Amino acid sequence: DQQVKQNSPSLSVQEGRISILNCDYTNSMFDYFLWYKKYPAEGPTFLISISSIKDKNEDGRFTVFLNKSAKHLSLHIVPSQPGDSAVYFCAASNFGNEKLTFGTGTRLTIIP
Amino acid sequence: ETGVTQTPRHLVMGMTNKKSLKCEQHLGHNAMYWYKQSAKKPLELMFVYNFKEQTENNSVPSRFSPECPNSSHLFLHLHTLQPEDSALYLCASSQQPLGQGSNEQYFGPGTRLTVT
Repeated sequence: DQQVKQNSPSLSVQEGRISILNCDYTNSMFDYFLWYKKYPAEGPTFLISISSIKDKNEDGRFTVFLNKSAKHLSLHIVPSQPGDSAVYFCAASNFGNEKLTFGTGTRLTIIP
Repeated sequence: ETGVTQTPRHLVMGMTNKKSLKCEQHLGHNAMYWYKQSAKKPLELMFVYNFKEQTENNSVPSRFSPECPNSSHLFLHLHTLQPEDSALYLCASSQQPLGQGSNEQYFGPGTRLTVT
């Protein structure tokens, strides 16, 4: 039973446009969400996170939105740059049991 | 070296071999983790060590044996593996131990393991 789902295995976006990556979760106990980015031959690197007490967190070109009622979060990248081409993983955890549950990832390709 | 390093980066082994994966973190963190990533599957947590003590074994078969001699080093000893164990094995570390604000984990580059 996959508790964190990334239903789009891949996404292509024109350089300069907005990239929107989506993630859904089923466990209502999750209260902290993270996005990781992974380049080939490297480990995932932490990108941005959001606590369930917020509905938005912004860091430069990256913004994460959380819709708790829909159990949905999204990562917005604007403007998209060629260096953003990577696999993006959504992860979730809950207070007191902070194991990370990961999604399967979305491969983002930025087209120059 | 900085961050989290893993060796070897690639490993091919037969089902009767014994091999070990090594992970080292240079971040002064207190918790270390082993994950497995199979093709088209999410990262699966295997083991967790907090302050060198194993605190989590996520129903991993005994042919995988972890070892944490100190807070900077983590090993995964492999013995009589199966072809379905072929995967990317990732090591990670975090400042705080599991359950104490350890959400942000820092990953190594992984070892690509192929069992023939």
